[in-house]
Amino acid sequence: GAGVSQTPSNKVTEKGKYVELRCDPISGHTALYWYRQSLGQGPEFLIYFQGTGAADDSGLPNDRFFAVRPEGSVSTLKIQRTERGDSAVYLCASSLGRGGYEQFFGPGTRLTVL
Amino acid sequence: ELKVEQNPLFLSMQEGKNYTIYCNYSTTSDRLYWYRQDPGKSLESLFVLLSNGAVKQEGRLMASLDTKARLSTLHITAAVHDLSATYFCAVDIGGGADGLTFGKGTHLIIQP
Repeated sequence: GAGVSQTPSNKVTEKGKYVELRCDPISGHTALYWYRQSLGQGPEFLIYFQGTGAADDSGLPNDRFFAVRPEGSVSTLKIQRTERGDSAVYLCASSLGRGGYEQFFGPGTRLTVL
Repeated sequence: ELKVEQNPLFLSMQEGKNYTIYCNYSTTSDRLYWYRQDPGKSLESLFVLLSNGAVKQEGRLMASLDTKARLSTLHITAAVHDLSATYFCAVDIGGGADGLTFGKGTHLIIQP
């Protein structure tokens, strides 16, 4: 079956602009996660959804970052007033449920803020 | 704050040799995950370890978990070039904090 998909694969934007990154999880997976990976580092947790609700947003770095999952499937990560330090690969993962389930990762969106 | 430490961070080894990657974590957990990442690619799940003493094997890779020591190992047997990649361990502590905390990764190069 289809895996986790993310669009766009690459996004180049200018400092101060607004961007949206989309994640389409594996069908039937109720849990969805966003991570950010900087060059040479491990992924860093941002936010976790169980169904439509954000169950844990403790990893969001500041209030410029926001994510939604209105129908419990596709999720959008939104970044306002982008800064150069936001440049990274944004990874989405999904799993069958919370806690102890294997997380399957998408290919990522490479965000470059000029 | 949960800390996950891997060592070594970089490893160059020859084909046919055995080696072990270590993953230590700072907070009680019985959920440990190993992932592989090839350059420019996303993460591929290798193992999910969910109890003390858990051992899983797939091909030349074997992972184990000691929750009392807060230690997991990834053992490579008779390495082959195709295993060259970056390997990450990750931990989740549950209790509503279900995002994974990753180590920095072990960059493994296997020379023919």
